[in-house]
Amino acid sequence: EAGVTQFPSHSVIEKGQTVTLRCDPISGHDNLYWYRRVMGKEIKFLLHFVKESKQDESGMPNNRFLAERTGGTYSTLKVQPAELEDSGVYFCASSQDLSGELFFGEGSRLTVL
Amino acid sequence: GNSVTQMEGPVTLSEEAFLTINCTYTATGYPSLFWYVQYPGEGLQLLLKATKADDKGSNKGFEATYRKETTSFHLEKGSVQVSDSAVYFCALSEGWGAQKLVFGQGTRLTINP
Repeated sequence: EAGVTQFPSHSVIEKGQTVTLRCDPISGHDNLYWYRRVMGKEIKFLLHFVKESKQDESGMPNNRFLAERTGGTYSTLKVQPAELEDSGVYFCASSQDLSGELFFGEGSRLTVL
Repeated sequence: GNSVTQMEGPVTLSEEAFLTINCTYTATGYPSLFWYVQYPGEGLQLLLKATKADDKGSNKGFEATYRKETTSFHLEKGSVQVSDSAVYFCALSEGWGAQKLVFGQGTRLTINP
């Protein structure tokens, strides 16, 4: 069974540009999460989807970030326009139900120059 | 708000040494506590967890005990191996369910042969 996959593994863009990160959860997992770790700091929760609905987006830093999960399968996280402080590693995770284990992807590293 | 503080890294040990990575938390209510591990080139994996006071989580020779009186969840292993080299994250669950996590800053562990 494939794990959580994320693309791209590393993206380098200039300030002001747009980047879209993609996450494919484990098949059948209704719950999908985005977390991020900015340089040297803690991994922080961004948002939680249940199927295609945003259950909790309290961690989204500002309106430059847009997450979608059309059809309740894969999810995208768009940053537009990117700023220097957005650099970090963005992790996606999925689970079958809220009492079960959370499975993480390898992360997408974003570098904004 | 809830927070997790873990031992500053990096930590370097020789093979077969005893390992302790300290973790303390601040939380309202009674969160579940977790240790996640990220091996090079991989996503975060759940190492062990404890859901209530005095519970001991254990896996792969690692142990951690949920200590409510000291608000701690220290990770220990009696004899580390080179393959244990990784980044270790302490975390607590926030809210209902176990999947909106608050993480510590991570501790990089290197084991030398």
